[in-house]
Amino acid sequence: QQQVRQSPQSLTVWEGETAILNCSYEDSTFNYFPWYQQFPGEGPALLISIRSVSDKKEDGRFTIFFNKREKKLSLHITDSQPGDSATYFCAGDDTNAYKVIFGKGTHLHVLP
Amino acid sequence: ETAVFQTPNYHVTQVGNEVSFNCKQTLGHDTMYWYKQDSKKLLKIMFSYNNKQLIVNETVPRRFSPQSSDKAHLNLRIKSVEPEDSAVYLCASSWGTGRAETLYFGSGTRLTVL
Repeated sequence: QQQVRQSPQSLTVWEGETAILNCSYEDSTFNYFPWYQQFPGEGPALLISIRSVSDKKEDGRFTIFFNKREKKLSLHITDSQPGDSATYFCAGDDTNAYKVIFGKGTHLHVLP
Repeated sequence: ETAVFQTPNYHVTQVGNEVSFNCKQTLGHDTMYWYKQDSKKLLKIMFSYNNKQLIVNETVPRRFSPQSSDKAHLNLRIKSVEPEDSAVYLCASSWGTGRAETLYFGSGTRLTVL
């Protein structure tokens, strides 16, 4: 069964700390893993993504680490800012099934 | 800049009523979707349309039906709403099916069923 799992469900860090959001998946057909950021009252928006041929993707303060063998990935947010407070969704792209599978999200709260 | 437009933003209705939500995308994408997001933020795909053809139809109740006039529009109709239909309904579009790298969401329609 296609599943994407995220942990923790909720995370609180202080401004300036590194937030680490975890994600794991089961289906080996996934070859693309986007992370979406959602603010209250808005739809999810693509933040950063990685393909399964890579083990790391960096974009400013956001970095994805990917372990294909263990089917795990993580999103690191360095120098966290209060404006980063949002819900973050990890997803797996299963092009064979023509759908994107989302995890249940991690709510990040950055305290000033 | 918003490229997937949804109306209305909010809708409150009584059990048994019929509701309809509109969605329009200006990105020129060929695939559109409806997702349901519940109170716990869980995102579940309901439908996707590619070139006016239904590609994915998850096991949603029959009272839900997508309606498309062209590839830029995908509406959602719910006949005889029930309390469990209270949720945020998100419209999205992409190039091709299952293309998360081009997936754009609207801001959602929040439905409350009394």
